[in-house]
This record gives sequence, C-alpha cells and structure tokens, in this order.
Amino acid sequence: SQQGEEDPQALSIQEGENATMNCSYKTSINNLQWYRQNSGRGLVHLILIRSNEREKHSGRLRVTLDTSKKSSSLLITASRAADTASYFCATAGGSGGSNYKLTFGKGTLLTVNP
Amino acid sequence: GAVVSQHPSRVICKSGTSVKIECRSLDFQATTMFWYRQFPKQSLMLMATSNEGSKATYEQGVEKDKFLINHASLTLSTLTVTSAHPEDSSFYICSARPRRGNQPQHFGDGTRLSIL
Repeated sequence: SQQGEEDPQALSIQEGENATMNCSYKTSINNLQWYRQNSGRGLVHLILIRSNEREKHSGRLRVTLDTSKKSSSLLITASRAADTASYFCATAGGSGGSNYKLTFGKGTLLTVNP
Repeated sequence: GAVVSQHPSRVICKSGTSVKIECRSLDFQATTMFWYRQFPKQSLMLMATSNEGSKATYEQGVEKDKFLINHASLTLSTLTVTSAHPEDSSFYICSARPRRGNQPQHFGDGTRLSIL
C-alpha cells in the first residue's frame, strides 16, 4: 500500500517563484527521501532527511520533517524551467522495517513556466 | 557519480513473448537491487528485492513465476517477464544500493514495455 501521499498532485508556477510540495506518511520511519523524475526517465535522488533531523538544505532545496505529524515538505527556491519534473517522497525503515526498502508517495508534477 | 544502466530502454513485442531486462551498476558493487513498476501518472510500486547470490523477495501480489529475477553478480540483476500479456505493459525501473557506505539507492533510466 502507498505510504506517502504528496500534495498537491500538480503544481504550476512561474520561473523564479518558489515551489512547495508536501508529503504525509503513515508508519514510523528511519528516514525520508525526496526524488525527482523527468518524464519517461528514472529517478534522481535529491535529499535524505533522517528521523532525528528536522530540516536540511541542499543548494536551492530545503526539506523539513515533522515526525509528530508524519509529514515532510520540499521547498525549491528560485525555480527554473529545468526544475519541471515529478517529485516523489519515499520513506524507509521504521519498526521492523528495512532501512533500504523504499515506499514511494504518489508524486507531485511540478511545471515551471518560463 | 554512481551510475546504473538499464537495458533495453524500450521494448515492443507480441503477447506471449518473454522479455528480459538488465540492470547493471557500472561503477560500484550492489549488494541489493530493487525492481519497481510504474503505471502512467502513478507512483513506483516495489515488485521485488534482489540480493546477490540468493533468491529474490517478492512483494505481496507479485507473481514470482511471472517475474523471474536473477542476481548473479554484484553488478547485474535481470528481470524476465515471462509470457507477457498486454496488462504487463508498464514502465519498469531498477535501483541498486551500493555495497559500501550508507548511500541512497541509484536508479536506472527505466524500461518501457509495451505488449501488443
């Protein structure tokens, strides 16, 4: 069953604006990861945040994690047309679970208009 | 960076054909490889976990006799869709977890399988 639920399902913004995507999950986790997928391609790992971390930055990406609410957000600042892609959150681990087996959310399709 | 090569990238074949998809880690050894299926505009669904030298672990609802997985070396896993039917048409993606270090999975570029 799907662990993560992204919201919104689709997001359309103008170049230069910020994009925020949210992810909720149901069970306990060891870490949460965000991936990007260009149309018809594989996934590219963006960032990993551990269950004991609350915020992490990588370039124009900012990820937050709230384990009490079982939710995470991905913020892309100063978006570019090249950021157009689908973004997925994925959770790993938790009580009795594998640290390596990922469960993916449904994804957010981000369109950045030039 | 770590590269995973998946081949072929696209297959179109007739119903009843068996199709083999290869997943190779090009510059690292992978203890574990994963096979996913993705339907249009949907998320990735894990099909099975492939461990080098041992039998694959299949997720609930995935037929192991239908989707044969072989992980003969630390750099190669194969998925064979046996006697494929139109409902098996999908995007299949593999990923590999590096043997060393606490690194994330690296994904192949996927295989678009179309069964006529």
